Amino acid sequence: DAKTTQPPSMDCAEGRAANLPCNHSTISGNEYVYWYRQIHSQGPQYIIHGLKNNETNEMASLIITEDRKSSTLILPHATLRDTAVYYCIVRFFGNEKLTFGTGTRLTIIP
Amino acid sequence: EAGVAQSPRYKIIEKRQSVAFWCNPISGHATLYWYQQILGQGPKLLIQFQNNGVVDDSQLPKDRFSAERLKGVDSTLKIQPAKLEDSAVYLCASSLESDGDEQFFGPGTRLTVL
Repeated sequence: DAKTTQPPSMDCAEGRAANLPCNHSTISGNEYVYWYRQIHSQGPQYIIHGLKNNETNEMASLIITEDRKSSTLILPHATLRDTAVYYCIVRFFGNEKLTFGTGTRLTIIP
Repeated sequence: EAGVAQSPRYKIIEKRQSVAFWCNPISGHATLYWYQQILGQGPKLLIQFQNNGVVDDSQLPKDRFSAERLKGVDSTLKIQPAKLEDSAVYLCASSLESDGDEQFFGPGTRLTVL
């Protein structure tokens, strides 16, 4: 079973920052937070992952609270191509299995 | 770099027929995964291979589903006989190693069972 809770849907205006929340209150000390997204009719795509420090790459930033019970994925300047389902996944680094929930359907509004 | 290739992209069959899906992972990737994604749900892992050995097939319905990865490269997933509830997208993914590396997904095969 998925160990995360995400809102089923969100809207964001094009050009604004999209902030996607995720609750993972039962996360253990050596579990990572991963984010993937799935654009319509495509396979999921890796975005970013982190353990306890905030992380940033060319796609997004990941902010993890100090108690690690929740996190936020930030797309700094959302475009129409960011419309997708975003999955937050908690996973041991040495465990290959990705357990997907139902994710958040993000719609970017022109 | 070429991505994960899957074929066919679409398949329509009648229940009780058999069907096979093919996956060619990214060159050099040791780990290969098959996922099933039912409409409105997230993908669910069916089976994971490390080279040509099975690592995890705990969620594979073994009475009707089978998978192989001969020579540790390409893989096929077979369903025989198909049921209506097998209608789904079947996704193949690969990763360089198995210790938490990013998984790269193919476009999937959409199966409709009538």
